[in-house]
Amino acid sequence: GQQVMQIPQYQHVQEGEDFTTYCNSSTTLSNIQWYKQRPGGHPVFLIQLVKSGEVKKQKRLTFQFGEAKKNSSLHITATQTTDVGTYFCAGLTTLTYNQGGKLIFGQGTELSVKP
Amino acid sequence: DTAVSQTPKYLVTQMGNDKSIKCEQNLGHDTMYWYKQDSKKFLKIMFSYNNKELIINETVPNRFSPKSPDKAHLNLHINSLELGDSAVYFCASSQGLGRVYSPLHFGNGTRLTVT
Repeated sequence: GQQVMQIPQYQHVQEGEDFTTYCNSSTTLSNIQWYKQRPGGHPVFLIQLVKSGEVKKQKRLTFQFGEAKKNSSLHITATQTTDVGTYFCAGLTTLTYNQGGKLIFGQGTELSVKP
Repeated sequence: DTAVSQTPKYLVTQMGNDKSIKCEQNLGHDTMYWYKQDSKKFLKIMFSYNNKELIINETVPNRFSPKSPDKAHLNLHINSLELGDSAVYFCASSQGLGRVYSPLHFGNGTRLTVT
């Protein structure tokens, strides 16, 4: 079946270091969404990318969507302790008639930041 | 104002029991979901309802039965609970099913522990 693979599973960084998580899909995606889940919390939508090669920025976060719309990345510059949490990518499969697409989540990358 | 609310927050029960989780959203969305998050934080879709119609049923055991009395509510009933059912269950909603510009809004989750 369709899968979205996300790596790494865990990342431990020193505060101030950069962080990147990568997503790869086995099929072309309609869009890619990113969510953040704080410890003990629920996933919260961050952003979505729709166009091939799209790059979006939110302060220290940079999101990219690959040219083939099969991969994506999230890069955090100069991490802070507030960045702690699990980051999920979620790919929307190609829309099908009358049903819409299906959102498939990656396994998530758990980020810990040492002050 | 809680957008997607689910109850209870915690549920501890014994094997073989039947339990229900309730979910309500006040966002005016027409699509609601149940996701299961296991101990490794993997988010797996279980069901999706669009305008009270079951759209997605992801190979979930028959012991799980969702019910959507109206667009704003989606409940999950679980019969004959098993140890492997222990997880966090998230309700979510979106406007439209699998639409490109429609992210998910998650509830706070229900942590189910089966002993």
